[in-house]
Amino acid sequence: SQTIHQWPATLVQPVGSPLSLECTVEGTSNPNLYWYRQAAGRGLQLLFYSVGIGQISSEVPQNLSASRPQDRQFILSSKKLLLSDSGFYLCAWSADRGDQPQHFGDGTRLSIL
Amino acid sequence: SQQGEEDPQALSIQEGENATMNCSYKTSINNLQWYRQNSGRGLVHLILIRSNEREKHSGRLRVTLDTSKKSSSLLITASRAADTASYFCATDTNAGKSTFGDGTTLTVKP
Repeated sequence: SQTIHQWPATLVQPVGSPLSLECTVEGTSNPNLYWYRQAAGRGLQLLFYSVGIGQISSEVPQNLSASRPQDRQFILSSKKLLLSDSGFYLCAWSADRGDQPQHFGDGTRLSIL
Repeated sequence: SQQGEEDPQALSIQEGENATMNCSYKTSINNLQWYRQNSGRGLVHLILIRSNEREKHSGRLRVTLDTSKKSSSLLITASRAADTASYFCATDTNAGKSTFGDGTTLTVKP
């Protein structure tokens, strides 16, 4: 069966520090991969999605970047974190065909001090 | 702006009652999905309904879709305390991408 791993679960970082969040998927190949951010009490904002290795689409201008160095690995990064980068970050995957649900990791709670 | 908007924002009911949540959207869709999120966790997929479908069932869940009104509803029958969570609709307008609403927070009192 397919599983998705996202780590760390919580992270506290100072302003201006770098960031690297990792997400890996097991049990499937060529998945679509997604990074979302969720503000408290709100829905999900799509940050990046990827349909293949090295293929990244950015949905909103921001201080973050994403990379997909391997088929089932998706990394969210920042060179210098801002206070506004605080939030709950969720990684998800879906099968590479239409009309498929997304499957989410358990998220990373990022606090910027 | 959000493609999907849930209504109500919050709903509190007694165990055993039915819970109905609504979702409205603005543009044509390929499909609409409902997800559940327990506090501090990731989202769990509940049901996907395609644009050519009008109703789907899964256990105690019933989802309807009215494309003429650009709306969907999620009905949870015989609610349980364990159904307490936030529920989100997501609309898929381009294959592989979904737009989420802000959710309905459901509280089921034992």
